[in-house]
Amino acid sequence: GNSVTQMEGPVTLSEEAFLTINCTYTATGYPSLFWYVQYPGEGLQLLLKATKADDKGSNKGFEATYRKETTSFHLEKGSVQVSDSAVYFCALISTGGGNKLTFGTGTQLKVEL
Amino acid sequence: DAGVIQSPRHEVTEMGQEVTLRCKPISGHNSLFWYRQTMMRGLELLIYFNNNVPIDDSGMPEDRFSAKMPNASFSTLKIQPSEPRDSAVYFCASRLPVDRGVVSGNTIYFGEGSWLTVV
Repeated sequence: GNSVTQMEGPVTLSEEAFLTINCTYTATGYPSLFWYVQYPGEGLQLLLKATKADDKGSNKGFEATYRKETTSFHLEKGSVQVSDSAVYFCALISTGGGNKLTFGTGTQLKVEL
Repeated sequence: DAGVIQSPRHEVTEMGQEVTLRCKPISGHNSLFWYRQTMMRGLELLIYFNNNVPIDDSGMPEDRFSAKMPNASFSTLKIQPSEPRDSAVYFCASRLPVDRGVVSGNTIYFGEGSWLTVV
């Protein structure tokens, strides 16, 4: 079956620090990969996605590259802001998984001044 | 465009009461999902529909939970009777038909969630 593994949180960074949140996956078929973000008290918002190997998704300074050889989709941002504090979820869909989103456990990011 | 609309946003109810959560998917989306989020278990898929038909309800916890989609623009998730362990955030989400072959078609869009507390 499909599964997503992401690094445990919370991750605490100073403003303007470099961010990496690791995500690896196992999937049947050819998955599409996603990062969702959840701000405190809110729902999940799509942050970025990639639908085939070597694609790079990017949005709001965040980016992630679909690495088929390492089955990874690590989230990065060069300079985080306090407003980036949220929970980040890595997820995938594959036709072999019944076209359902499979989520990782989420990684909480706290950015401090 | 309006996103996925859920109601109520917040509900506090007493154990044993019936709870009904409602969802209006994005117009034109034909797949609808109900997720539950708790601290202990994270995000769990409860059930999803394609063209108003339940496809996979293996995530529904027990018989106290039921979901319906009477038409393309409305779905309900019902808990009867409710228990304190049902306290969670319940998310509804929707997606365009995958078979249209459009790359963006497989993105799932979430509502703001219904925050349920059973006391």
